[in-house]
Amino acid sequence: NAGVTQTPKFQVLKTGQSMTLQCAQDMNHNSMYWYRQDPGMGLRLIYYSASEGTTDKGEVPNGYNVSRLNKREFSLRLESAAPSQTSVYFCASKSFSGISYNEQFFGPGTRLTVL
Amino acid sequence: KQEVTQIPAALSVPEGENLVLNCSFTDSAIYNLQWFRQDPGKGLTSLLLIQSSQREQTSGRLNASLDKSSGRSTLYIAASQPGDSATYLCAVTDTNAGKSTFGDGTTLTVKP
Repeated sequence: NAGVTQTPKFQVLKTGQSMTLQCAQDMNHNSMYWYRQDPGMGLRLIYYSASEGTTDKGEVPNGYNVSRLNKREFSLRLESAAPSQTSVYFCASKSFSGISYNEQFFGPGTRLTVL
Repeated sequence: KQEVTQIPAALSVPEGENLVLNCSFTDSAIYNLQWFRQDPGKGLTSLLLIQSSQREQTSGRLNASLDKSSGRSTLYIAASQPGDSATYLCAVTDTNAGKSTFGDGTTLTVKP
């Protein structure tokens, strides 16, 4: 079990460029989440997908789009990157069954710098 | 809106000491509370999950308690070790959709 995987691990973009952050989980979890972590701001939810085929906005969705490609994969897209999107991005997943009911598992993160 | 506070922001203790980290939340209607550990430059590792119907959970030297009525949780670490040095975050889940609100964390340093 790889758990939650994220690619890439590091990325540098110029203002206005676009990119997609990839996330996959092999735990058969229903829900998946994208967070950003900034110094002094803690972890903030960008978008989430409660189940395959659904997505909803979190606390800070502006400038981002998401796609729940299938049950395993949940991608985050920056259409036109801005310096304010420099951050560490974490993907997480959660199951609503079994002994890990409602326990959240995180990926290793993507460190994004926008110049 | 749920707010989660962790005090202190930083804590330094000598090796072997028992310690308590605090987490408070404003809305007691929660589904669960989860404690995480984060090492510098790394992701979050789940330590303990307490469902809303539970009062505490234990794993090795860690014990987490939950008092919903007062909006508080504590993480007790027994016989601390330098390897326990990390940032500890708590997160409360208060919707059926599973959205969580995180505290800013307590950075723990255990000195040899």
